[in-house]
Amino acid sequence: AQSVTQLGSHVSVSEGALVLLRCNYSSSVPPYLFWYVQYPNQGLQLLLKYTSAATLVKGINGFEAEFKKSETSFHLTKPSAHMSDAAEYFCAVRKMDSSYKLIFGSGTRLLVRP
Amino acid sequence: SQTIHQWPATLVQPVGSPLSLECTVEGTSNPNLYWYRQAAGRGLQLLFYSVGIGQISSEVPQNLSASRPQDRQFILSSKKLLLSDSGFYLCAWRLTGTGKTEAFFGQGTRLTVV
Repeated sequence: AQSVTQLGSHVSVSEGALVLLRCNYSSSVPPYLFWYVQYPNQGLQLLLKYTSAATLVKGINGFEAEFKKSETSFHLTKPSAHMSDAAEYFCAVRKMDSSYKLIFGSGTRLLVRP
Repeated sequence: SQTIHQWPATLVQPVGSPLSLECTVEGTSNPNLYWYRQAAGRGLQLLFYSVGIGQISSEVPQNLSASRPQDRQFILSSKKLLLSDSGFYLCAWRLTGTGKTEAFFGQGTRLTVV
């Protein structure tokens, strides 16, 4: 069975500091992985996706994630946090069947201090 | 371009009342459609998905049902709401026939059962 685990339900950084949100996956086949962002009372917006091409994936808003098979990780990073990055972030893995459904982690709330 | 519409944005309903949430997708045909629920402080749980008109798969036993009466319309219903049905409901769609794996989300409906 496929799953993702997000370490840390809350992460707090100062404005301008590095953002690192952790995601580890479990999958018996090469996974398709995603990061989504959710602002309060809104839907989810796709940040980036890994689909077995380049291991370093660049997304929107300056975020990127690196797929590391040896560590079964897909951590999300951004060199310099902005106040507008404060939101909840979800890591997800695609279920490898015809449904294409996404299995989400429990989410990490990013707080950005001025 | 494709867009997804989900309504209403917020809803307060008494226990025992019926529910109908609607989601429509524009600009594509034969999308995969999904209903997720996000309970307070928790991740996203897939409730239903559909790969075609009249084809509904239920992921978890519950008080809710789903229907897909038209290709781009997905409805979430309940005959009698429970307090535990409160949450943030998200509709999502996926483009089929392209190999693309990501899902795109609506803005969500916040349901409060009182």
